[in-house]
Amino acid sequence: QKEVEQNSGPLSVPEGAIASLNCTYSDRGSQSFFWYRQYSGKSPELIMSIYSNGDKEDGRFTAQLNKASQYVSLLIRDSQPSDSATYLCAVNPAGNEKLTFGTGTRLTIIP
Amino acid sequence: DAGVIQSPRHEVTEMGQEVTLRCKPISGHDYLFWYRQTMMRGLELLIYFNNNVPIDDSGMPEDRFSAKMPNASFSTLKIQPSEPRDSAVYFCASSGTSWVAFFGQGTRLTVV
Repeated sequence: QKEVEQNSGPLSVPEGAIASLNCTYSDRGSQSFFWYRQYSGKSPELIMSIYSNGDKEDGRFTAQLNKASQYVSLLIRDSQPSDSATYLCAVNPAGNEKLTFGTGTRLTIIP
Repeated sequence: DAGVIQSPRHEVTEMGQEVTLRCKPISGHDYLFWYRQTMMRGLELLIYFNNNVPIDDSGMPEDRFSAKMPNASFSTLKIQPSEPRDSAVYFCASSGTSWVAFFGQGTRLTVV
């Protein structure tokens, strides 16, 4: 089992709809969870971090964490064409300073 | 702060040549990470440093790869000799105590 798993997509969502991105992780002791966005040819940039169970909202973005199910998700409301990118889930395994990344989900917003 | 700075942005080299990638982390960050990204394998951690000391190099693919961090503001990743399968985008990232990694713009390496 991979440490961090994501559906590779591509995921296509109509403009204005909600995009839902999912991620599972294998280390039950993981403490910190992140979502990065990567545009084609660019470097990953942080869009959300979450550390405790529940939801965390920032503008059109909501991160959801369920440690019991080892599951973290990202919702993007009112999707815009500029949201088209690859979204990377990253996790700090327990007692570890390094980030382990999933392979990313490619999201396309259809105008 | 200008963020994490990597050089060069692009590197094309012939098989067998030595390649050196450079990174300047964000001032005050204690951790520095070197990642490699390919379509097939995604973003892989090669090595990371804490306070200039290598902590985990288990991701370094083979002895042809080496990394150093002589001081808090500079790190290098060296490949000697380079091979076509080393072609990838290499990212340097740094973080502080929040574990949030900030990435440089990357170096696109092509070995022909």
